[in-house]
Amino acid sequence: AQSVTQPDIHITVSEGASLELRCNYSYGATPYLFWYVQSPGQGLQLLLKYFSGDTLVQGIKGFEAEFKRSQSSFNLRKPSVHWSDAAEYFCAAGSTGASKIIFGSGTRLSIRP
Amino acid sequence: GAVVSQHPSRVICKSGTSVKIECRSLDFQATTMFWYRQFPKQSLMLMATSNEGSKATYEQGVEKDKFLINHASLTLSTLTVTSAHPEDSSFYICSAREGRQGGVKGGTEAFFGQGTRLTVV
Repeated sequence: AQSVTQPDIHITVSEGASLELRCNYSYGATPYLFWYVQSPGQGLQLLLKYFSGDTLVQGIKGFEAEFKRSQSSFNLRKPSVHWSDAAEYFCAAGSTGASKIIFGSGTRLSIRP
Repeated sequence: GAVVSQHPSRVICKSGTSVKIECRSLDFQATTMFWYRQFPKQSLMLMATSNEGSKATYEQGVEKDKFLINHASLTLSTLTVTSAHPEDSSFYICSAREGRQGGVKGGTEAFFGQGTRLTVV
């Protein structure tokens, strides 16, 4: 069955520190992969996406993610977090066309001053 | 990027009444839209896939008579929560992907509405 796993429910990092949020997927074929961010009570904003090609993907707000086929992973990274990065982060996967996207359970990021 | 508008953003209704939520793709055509439900501090659970001009496809465990979906045009899908109860209180989010089922124009991200906070009292 298709699934997206985010093993970390809650992560706290200090402002200015580096960040890595983990995501693993289980799919029949290589899916399209996404990272979304959600602030409390808000909708979702796309941070970045991977469809094919270069496995290191750059996104908005200084985020990047690396697709590793051998590990079925798509981890999100940021070299230096800001207090405004505190939010819920969702990894998601979908396939071609207009088919559905499934989400991981999310990782809540808190920033320590 | 493309814009998906969801309305209303917040609604309070009495038990037993029905509530309609609209999802519009403003600058692209979406033959398929998706409806998600999100409980507090949880992930998004896909409820149904809304197909323009045909019946929606519901995920297992979702009551199709409770959550009526209509996708009458290429830019509008509606979710109606019928005979609402307090346990239906939740955050509902719609999304749309550009392109058609079958991958004619595939590989695009989903654009999300801002969500609707439904409270049933």
